[in-house]
Amino acid sequence: QKEVEQNSGPLSVPEGAIASLNCTYSDRGSQSFFWYRQYSGKSPELIMFIYSNGDKEDGRFTAQLNKASQYVSLLIRDSQPSDSATYLCAVQTNYGQNFVFGPGTRLSVLP
Amino acid sequence: KAGVTQTPRYLIKTRGQQVTLSCSPISGHRSVSWYQQTPGQGLQFLFEYFSETQRNKGNFPGRFSGRQFSNSRSEMNVSTLELGDSALYLCASSTGFSETQYFGPGTRLLVL
Repeated sequence: QKEVEQNSGPLSVPEGAIASLNCTYSDRGSQSFFWYRQYSGKSPELIMFIYSNGDKEDGRFTAQLNKASQYVSLLIRDSQPSDSATYLCAVQTNYGQNFVFGPGTRLSVLP
Repeated sequence: KAGVTQTPRYLIKTRGQQVTLSCSPISGHRSVSWYQQTPGQGLQFLFEYFSETQRNKGNFPGRFSGRQFSNSRSEMNVSTLELGDSALYLCASSTGFSETQYFGPGTRLLVL
């Protein structure tokens, strides 16, 4: 059974701080990793994806992947109250295979 | 480009009934995936259709079925509804040749 785990939170950070969201996965063959943001009552929206070990930056967001440790993280710099949402980690083993989502981490950015 | 659309947005049914949900993907996308989201189980994969063929399937009972039409629109059917089927049903669209998925607004189903 392929599993993706995340701390459910809530993770509370003050406005302007760095929020660090973590995700671990069980299938060592996983190839593609995604971060989605879901506001309450809304559908998930893609923030970014990462395929290779290391860091990938997009604006205030940085995804970090360590395949040896089976670990992927999302850093949000200069956190804003509008970043308050649930962040979902998704893993795809191979192209064409289905995605496995983690349970999500609820982030609260306090003004 | 228009996004993913789902109809209806809200639905109330009673146990034992059946329901059909519809999803229209982004223009040019050939893959549609369906997910069930509940507070207790999170986002769970139901199945994926690509070019009218089921390409992947999750671990849901046979009461959950789907199909895809030649214009890539997809429908999901749930027969003999149970209380536990109450959930947000999301569809996600992709080209089928890349991993990036885009979600629709979802259909919220309440089974009484």
